[in-house]
Amino acid sequence: EVQLVESGGGLVQPGGSLRLSCAASGFTFSTYWMSWVRQAPGTGLEWVANIKQDGSEKHYVDSVKGRFTISRDNAKNSLYLQMNSLRVEDTAVYYCARVGVTGTMWDYWGQGTLVTVSS
Amino acid sequence: IQMTQSPSSLSASVGDRVTITCRASQRISSSLNWYRQKPGKAPNLLIYAASSLQSGVPSRFSGSGSGTDFTLTISSLQPEDFATYYCQQSYSIPGTFGQGTKVEIK
Repeated sequence: EVQLVESGGGLVQPGGSLRLSCAASGFTFSTYWMSWVRQAPGTGLEWVANIKQDGSEKHYVDSVKGRFTISRDNAKNSLYLQMNSLRVEDTAVYYCARVGVTGTMWDYWGQGTLVTVSS
Repeated sequence: IQMTQSPSSLSASVGDRVTITCRASQRISSSLNWYRQKPGKAPNLLIYAASSLQSGVPSRFSGSGSGTDFTLTISSLQPEDFATYYCQQSYSIPGTFGQGTKVEIK
């Protein structure tokens, strides 16, 4: 059974940093693109970042470029999101999601971890 | 690419046929996915590539369309289908979502 379990969320002040983790199991992690997708309270979904199977290619939404870094450790079946210079508008539930084999959709999602940026 | 869903919300009864539409701001071929999100839960993939049913998803869900106009149909609404539905284009990065359609109990 595919499982994605996020951790690392919490309350942080504006300008602060946080590192999210996602532990994957039930599939061959190293053969899939992976993503982070977020959802601000009471609003819709926003893709944040993608990373290729070997970590050689990464993509980010414009609003987080230069502040967030996606990475992975295939030996540990883990995905990460390093978030620096956090802003109030980064407050959201952050989901780890697997990119399906066609490369065009997210076929499995974690339960999400809440990041709150507030003074 | 902007994705616009309609309606933003609707009320329906168990057993009803429900249709949700999604329009893209430019042509996206068949690069369109649909997700269902129950309250407090992660989204769940229903339909990919506009009309392909994801494995394990009930056959009451179907998708159609290409180019700029797409439709999600639920043939007979079930209690677990009262949720919010999102379309998402996968034609180009970023893979933008529609604003969501909330399906409520009448």
